[in-house]
Amino acid sequence: AQTVTQSQPEMSVQEAETVTLSCTYDTSESDYYLFWYKQPPSRQMILVIRQEAYKQQNATENRFSVNFQKAAKSFSLKISDSQLGDAAMYFCAYRRLIQGAQKLVFGQGTRLTINP
Amino acid sequence: GAGVSQSPRYKVAKRGQDVALRCDPISGHVSLFWYQQALGQGPEFLTYFQNEAQLDKSGLPSDRFFAERPEGSVSTLKIQRTQQEDSAVYLCASSRTTSGSRDEQFFGPGTRLTVL
Repeated sequence: AQTVTQSQPEMSVQEAETVTLSCTYDTSESDYYLFWYKQPPSRQMILVIRQEAYKQQNATENRFSVNFQKAAKSFSLKISDSQLGDAAMYFCAYRRLIQGAQKLVFGQGTRLTINP
Repeated sequence: GAGVSQSPRYKVAKRGQDVALRCDPISGHVSLFWYQQALGQGPEFLTYFQNEAQLDKSGLPSDRFFAERPEGSVSTLKIQRTQQEDSAVYLCASSRTTSGSRDEQFFGPGTRLTVL
């Protein structure tokens, strides 16, 4: 079974600074998807960024980028120019590539605090 | 609708009571998922529907949990004889199709269940 581990229960960063959230995963499969989700205090989960394992290029979405190290099974999220609205729980998630196998396997989450 | 909706948002039940949680997915979305999120943890998969067919119920913790989606749209998660360990936020998510990394899961706000 696949597992996802987030070893940082809490992180904080000064507004406008850069912060990196860590995620490692365990799988025996060679093709899969990885995601970062944001869950603000209102609890609605929002997709931040996604990465296909077969792509070597790291995904980027505006201020959000990932460092995907397939051999190390590491998938970190970098947030640049942190904003107060970035404060939330962040979850790393894994999904198999197999047709129809869409369920997400989540990590435990990292609570990010932005200090003004 | 504009997004995934869930009702009720909050439910308090006495131990032993039956509860029913409703999910209204985004119109036209084929896939529907239920996740359970314990306090301070990441969501854990419960069950998955493709239209009205329940294709994966491997995450349901016991036979007290039952889910249905009879017409391929609205889904209900029913918990019989609730126990204190059932206290959690129950998240519903839907996606447009059945495969592909671009097929994003959209989450509802969740139902917070408290069993006394």
